[in-house]
Amino acid sequence: QLVESGGGVVQPGGSLRLSCEASGFMFSNYGMHWVRQIPGKGLEWVSFIRFDESSKYYTDSTKGRFTISRDNSRSTLYLQMNSLRPEDTAVYYCAKGTLNWGSFDCWGQGTLVLVSS
Amino acid sequence: DVVMTQSPLSLPVTLGQPASISCRSSQSLLHSDGNTYLNWFQQRPGQSPRRLIYKVSNRDSGVPDRFSGSGSGTDFTLKISRVEAEDVGVYYCMQGTHWPPWTFGQGTKVEIK
Repeated sequence: QLVESGGGVVQPGGSLRLSCEASGFMFSNYGMHWVRQIPGKGLEWVSFIRFDESSKYYTDSTKGRFTISRDNSRSTLYLQMNSLRPEDTAVYYCAKGTLNWGSFDCWGQGTLVLVSS
Repeated sequence: DVVMTQSPLSLPVTLGQPASISCRSSQSLLHSDGNTYLNWFQQRPGQSPRRLIYKVSNRDSGVPDRFSGSGSGTDFTLKISRVEAEDVGVYYCMQGTHWPPWTFGQGTKVEIK
């Protein structure tokens, strides 16, 4: 199970940190993703972190502004979002990656981030 | 980046009738390890996405056998043999072969006529 938190309303240029608490599987063995969805629109992959934090990837529009991290001792995934823009408004989901990195086999319920003045 | 193109984007279906969704990728999804990482997700209204199919044709646990996936290379299909009311929602294909980024199709909205 994955449970996100930390969403809310923030002004343009502001910051927010999302969390995703995992349970029911060995969190430290799996890569983890963040995926977002503008309300009423499709899914967009945002970021990935390898199980040991040795590799991190970001979609182009978030590079330099978002930082993914994890605390395996707490089974928790994070997304630090800085310099937020109105176009970052979306529901943010965390998703568990598969061992072959080719799929996402478990999703959280999502947390809404609204960037507005 | 690999572009995933789904069709149709809207699919009205009659209960009990079959439905088919196409997904095409801008390059072959055959990985050097011999697998093809093409996935299908279902998103019911108000819910988060749920994986139905992985590696083209493998159903996830608990997914009814009326759902099936097929295809190879760049052309893939999700079929529902007999649509039920609980199948209403948006269906997305996603490739996990050429990353980053992992990329999704635009989504196909399935509704009951």
